[in-house]
Formats: sequence, structure tokens, C-alpha cells
Amino acid sequence: NAGVTQTPKFRILKIGQSMTLQCAQDMNHNYMYWYRQDPGMGLKLIYYSVGAGITDKGEVPNGYNVSRSTTEDFPLRLELAAPSQTSVYFCASYDSSSGTYEQYFGPGTRLTVT
Amino acid sequence: GENVGLHLPTLSVQEGDNSIINCAYSNSASDYFIWYKQESGKGPQFIIDIRSNMDKRQGQRVTVLLNKTVKHLSLQIAATQPGDSAVYFCAENRDDKIIFGKGTRLHILP
Repeated sequence: NAGVTQTPKFRILKIGQSMTLQCAQDMNHNYMYWYRQDPGMGLKLIYYSVGAGITDKGEVPNGYNVSRSTTEDFPLRLELAAPSQTSVYFCASYDSSSGTYEQYFGPGTRLTVT
Repeated sequence: GENVGLHLPTLSVQEGDNSIINCAYSNSASDYFIWYKQESGKGPQFIIDIRSNMDKRQGQRVTVLLNKTVKHLSLQIAATQPGDSAVYFCAENRDDKIIFGKGTRLHILP
């Protein structure tokens, strides 16, 4: 298993540009999450999904959109990039039938908006 | 949990001693609590979790204690090793949302 994969690893965007951060997992996990982590800070939940076709807002959803058309993929879309979205973005997944809330995290995407 | 301040609190512990990392949570409705370890440049790694109907759970070299009365969670690491150097986060499950608290940086002294 590759686990949770994220692409790209790094990206620099200009203000107002758009991009999609990709996240995929091959563990057949039903729950998937997007977090952002600003330098020296904790993780803030952006969006999450409890299964294909179902998404919901987290703590900081403004400026982002998600979709979950398959179990494996959970892309995060930034429509009009702003400097405040400079951060490291982590995708995570877990299996709610496992009896534990053990999330598996991807390696992160480091995004800079200038 | 919420992020406050610009810098993570730091706990410095002598190698071989026990470490105790504390976390306060805010929502009494949270039903599950998790501890994560994050090494520099990597995503968080699951360490141990505990249900809200328990007050203690032990793993390999780690123990989590939950005090629901004061909404407090702690992670105890026995015989701290250099490889334990990392940032540690507590997280809570609230209606399928897993919310992270502020982290603590664990620094190991030789």
C-alpha cells in the first residue's frame, strides 16, 4: 500500500490564481480530511468527508472547496489564492469501522502564495 | 482545542526521564481523544487514543490519562529517548470532526 499520497509537494502561486491539491489513499478508508498547518502552529480542519459523495465544512473552510466522487480521492480546490493561504496542507484518512480514530496522514503540500 | 500564541510551548526532558505532556480540551461532548507525534517536515503520526468513558490507557512506553472533570488530557512517555524529540498534539473527535489542540515541542537533553 502507498498509504496517503499528496501532490504536488511544493507549489508557489500568485495572488488570484487557482489550483487543486490532490490527495489519494489506497486503504479503502471511508473518512478523509484536509488540514492546514501554519508555521509553528497546530493543524486546522478545512473540510472532511465521511464517504464518497459526502463532504462537510471544518473549522476554516472559507476560500476552499472539496469533492469526493470516489472513495480513494479527495481533492482540495483553491479558487482565488490569497497570501493568507500560505501554509502546509495535510490530507488524512481513516477507517471508521476499525474501532479506532487512527488517522493516516500524507506527507503534505507546502503552498506559498505571493 | 485552539491555537493560541505564535510559538509552541516547549518541554525539555533529560534522556531517560519520563515526559508528561498536557492538553486542555474545550468541548465536553467530545467522545474520543487522540495523541499525535509530528517530526520536523512530516505529517502527524498516531500514537494512542482513548474513549471518553475511560480514564487511562496504556501503550508501548506511553500512557494517556483523561480527566473529564477538568477537561484535561495527558500523555506520559516512559524513559524518554532522543527519537521522541518532536511536536506532540492532542486531538478530539466531535461529531466526525477530528480537531487538533495546540502542540507541545518535546526537547530531549543529552
